[in-house]
Amino acid sequence: DAGVTQSPTHLIKTRGQQVTLRCSPKSGHDTVSWYQQALGQGPQFIFQYYEEEERQRGNFPDRFSGHQFPNYSSELNVNALLLGDSALYLCASSAYRTGAIYTDTQYFGPGTRLTVL
Amino acid sequence: GNSVTQMEGPVTLSEEAFLTINCTYTATGYPSLFWYVQYPGEGLQLLLKATKADDKGSNKGFEATYRKETTSFHLEKGSVQVSDSAVYFCALRDYTGRRALTFGSGTRLQVQP
Repeated sequence: DAGVTQSPTHLIKTRGQQVTLRCSPKSGHDTVSWYQQALGQGPQFIFQYYEEEERQRGNFPDRFSGHQFPNYSSELNVNALLLGDSALYLCASSAYRTGAIYTDTQYFGPGTRLTVL
Repeated sequence: GNSVTQMEGPVTLSEEAFLTINCTYTATGYPSLFWYVQYPGEGLQLLLKATKADDKGSNKGFEATYRKETTSFHLEKGSVQVSDSAVYFCALRDYTGRRALTFGSGTRLQVQP
């Protein structure tokens, strides 16, 4: 059973550029959450997608946007990159099905390390 | 709002020593509580969880008990190994319709042979 996968592993961009990160959830999961982890810090919630809609959002500017596809995979887009966007971006998947098996446990991928120069 | 406070690290122990990493939380209602572990260069792995008061989560020799009266979820292990060296994160997930995890700042554990 494949776990959560993310691509790319590493990415180097310059200020002002745009970046797209990708995530495939664990098999059987339909909800994807994105987190930003700055060096030496705990992860900070960016947003969550379920049924192809953004369901919840953390305290991040509109430069951060996302998308979820019918196969439950997801993308995180960041526009107008700033130096402070350098971080490990983590994707987590979970399952939420009304009337069926529900779990509130989020499983994380290995992350994408973004460096902004 | 929700918050999680962990003891600052690094925590340095000798192999086979007893481990305690303190975690306290602030949340509305009855959150679920989690411990995640992050090994160098990797993402987060779920270590254990507890979903209601007095529940004890356990895995790989680690244990934590959900204490509602003290709003705590301290992580313990009776005998640590060098391979336990990692960063440990305490987290909560509340039930106010928001499903995001709120994390503590992490505690680095270094186990020496």
